[in-house]
Amino acid sequence: EAQVTQNPRYLITVTGKKLTVTCSQNMNHEYMSWYRQDPGLGLRQIYYSMNVEVTDKGDVPEGYKVSRKEKRNFPLILESPSPNQTSLYFCASSPGVSMNTEAFFGQGTRLTVV
Amino acid sequence: GESVGLHLPTLSVQEGDNSIINCAYSNSASDYFIWYKQESGKGPQFIIDIRSNMDKRQGQRVTVLLNKTVKHLSLQIAATQPGDSAVYFCAENIDSNSGYALNFGKGTSLLVTP
Repeated sequence: EAQVTQNPRYLITVTGKKLTVTCSQNMNHEYMSWYRQDPGLGLRQIYYSMNVEVTDKGDVPEGYKVSRKEKRNFPLILESPSPNQTSLYFCASSPGVSMNTEAFFGQGTRLTVV
Repeated sequence: GESVGLHLPTLSVQEGDNSIINCAYSNSASDYFIWYKQESGKGPQFIIDIRSNMDKRQGQRVTVLLNKTVKHLSLQIAATQPGDSAVYFCAENIDSNSGYALNFGKGTSLLVTP
């Protein structure tokens, strides 16, 4: 089954404790991205990657890092999480880069930073 | 900056009626638009898309209309069913030399009542 898989689905952590949210897709997609979803603000892009070893900032990259060592994986790293990073996070992938194609989303990761 | 917005944050319709969800966009360079449906606890799912060289596209029970003159997008759902209850997002594709980004609206919550 074609899918985007995120882990964990739920995470509660403390301020300053490094964490990684994993994202994996099995569709051989080139393009992957991370979004955060907050009430009243909709979905905002954090980082995106056009291909292996190619990453770039989205609209709200502060406090986040990403890596793209393999095509299928695109982990989101919070080196020192803060309470304002409490949010619902979605990973997405799509086949193309400069193509008009739909994005496939993971199930989401609900992160709480206390 | 330019943004995608939605006219109504919530919409309540009776089962069997038609639903219309509206979206305004302001970026005249946008060339591709997508509607996503997000059910509670799930990631956004693709519903239908439309390119800027079209003004109407139909799917199964859904129709998207694009009016480039007034920069307006709408999603029409025919014979709305309880399973259509969800939050609906419009998104615009902003193509650039560094890749493409999906700019999401803040969402409209559709509630279908029996």
